[in-house]
Amino acid sequence: DTGVSQNPRHKITKRGQNVTFRCDPISEHNRLYWYRQTLGQGPEFLTYFQNEAQLEKSRLLSDRFSAERPKGSFSTLEIQRTEQGDSAMYLCASSFGREGRNEQFFGPGTRLTVL
Amino acid sequence: AQKVTQAQTEISVVEKEDVTLDCVYETRDTTYYLFWYKQPPSGELVFLIRRNSFDEQNEISGRYSWNFQKSTSSFNFTITASQVVDSAVYFCALSEANAGGTSYGKLTFGQGTILTVHP
Repeated sequence: DTGVSQNPRHKITKRGQNVTFRCDPISEHNRLYWYRQTLGQGPEFLTYFQNEAQLEKSRLLSDRFSAERPKGSFSTLEIQRTEQGDSAMYLCASSFGREGRNEQFFGPGTRLTVL
Repeated sequence: AQKVTQAQTEISVVEKEDVTLDCVYETRDTTYYLFWYKQPPSGELVFLIRRNSFDEQNEISGRYSWNFQKSTSSFNFTITASQVVDSAVYFCALSEANAGGTSYGKLTFGQGTILTVHP
């Protein structure tokens, strides 16, 4: 069990540029989640997938954000036309999604800085 | 709507002291899950414990114990004989569940409590 991995770990970009992050969940987990965490705050839910289906999206996920999980394995989160307010840590988590096994395991995060 | 409140912003203790982290939650659902996560300085969130709303039995696991009280919507977490390595931000989180008891998945986190354990 290698854990959840995220790439890149850090991303610095200029305002207006597009960025894409990748998350590789724990292999046997069917659920994958994205959260955003700003300094001094708890993580905030963005969206989640069960296999390849995107089941819920937060109102925080504006039209500039899109997430995919094309084959039910890894996922990508893209932010278009980045704004300085997008600067945050983007966290990915995965879980079994079954009763009694629903704890989420988090990756190390991707820290985004928008200049 | 779900809400989790961790009223303690920061706690500072000396090694070997016991420390309790408070968590109060709000939900309209009768079936839900509660979690505690630890975020050390390295940044990665680490799962600690999970509790179902239909099981109010409190437990002890090593130096960790928790007190779940539905009547007061509280889910407090205690570290016994704290150690310097316990220094981290601790988050309480809530997940609602469907009728089958399976979590909907979305976690609602509190603001976190910064715990500093001094040698």
